[in-house]
Amino acid sequence: ETGVTQTPRHLVMGMTNKKSLKCEQHLGHNAMYWYKQSAKKPLELMFVYSLEERVENNSVPSRFSPECPNSSHLFLHLHTLQPEDSALYLCASSQDREGYNEQFFGPGTRLTVL
Amino acid sequence: QKEVEQDPGPLSVPEGAIVSLNCTYSNSAFQYFMWYRQYSRKGPELLMYTYSSGNKEDGRFTAQVDKSSKYISLFIRDSQPSDSATYLCAMSAGDSSYKLIFGSGTRLLVRP
Repeated sequence: ETGVTQTPRHLVMGMTNKKSLKCEQHLGHNAMYWYKQSAKKPLELMFVYSLEERVENNSVPSRFSPECPNSSHLFLHLHTLQPEDSALYLCASSQDREGYNEQFFGPGTRLTVL
Repeated sequence: QKEVEQDPGPLSVPEGAIVSLNCTYSNSAFQYFMWYRQYSRKGPELLMYTYSSGNKEDGRFTAQVDKSSKYISLFIRDSQPSDSATYLCAMSAGDSSYKLIFGSGTRLLVRP
């Protein structure tokens, strides 16, 4: 595996379900991100982990719960979601250092909440 | 007012045309400007990156930044059907590596 991988690629869940999204990066980076991408809207940064510590949480509802057990893995735990949470969830990674760093994205998980 | 404005399109052009994609922004602190390309059912991938004002060329692609007008452009020469994708502009002040502000993306269709 190379780059940033995400599983599952597609997920359909009911509002009462609990599920988890998984992201793995094979680039040796020390920062990982969760983004939400909805149709015709800019990417919304949800969470950032740098050196396995959460450094950003952009007012995301508590029904989304991130977990970063190590610098290569990132999870997004989902529970009691709403239909408006249906979107493409993208994981990204970068090497966190001063100045600009390129963010590498995974293919995303297409989430549908019924 | 959004920090970054981008026309969602879709923009439809014939093969071989010159394509111009644009973004405007409001935050004068932005110093790093990027263009990402996103194919259907894929994640965004970095296409071009420019620091501060000026032009940068890479093959058929040219990125321009005009900080005085708060306006950035991506030009695609001799467009190909394989260029059909959504193009996202993104920018950063550079004070924190993860603070990328994205435009909503312009969907481009290059007709054979």
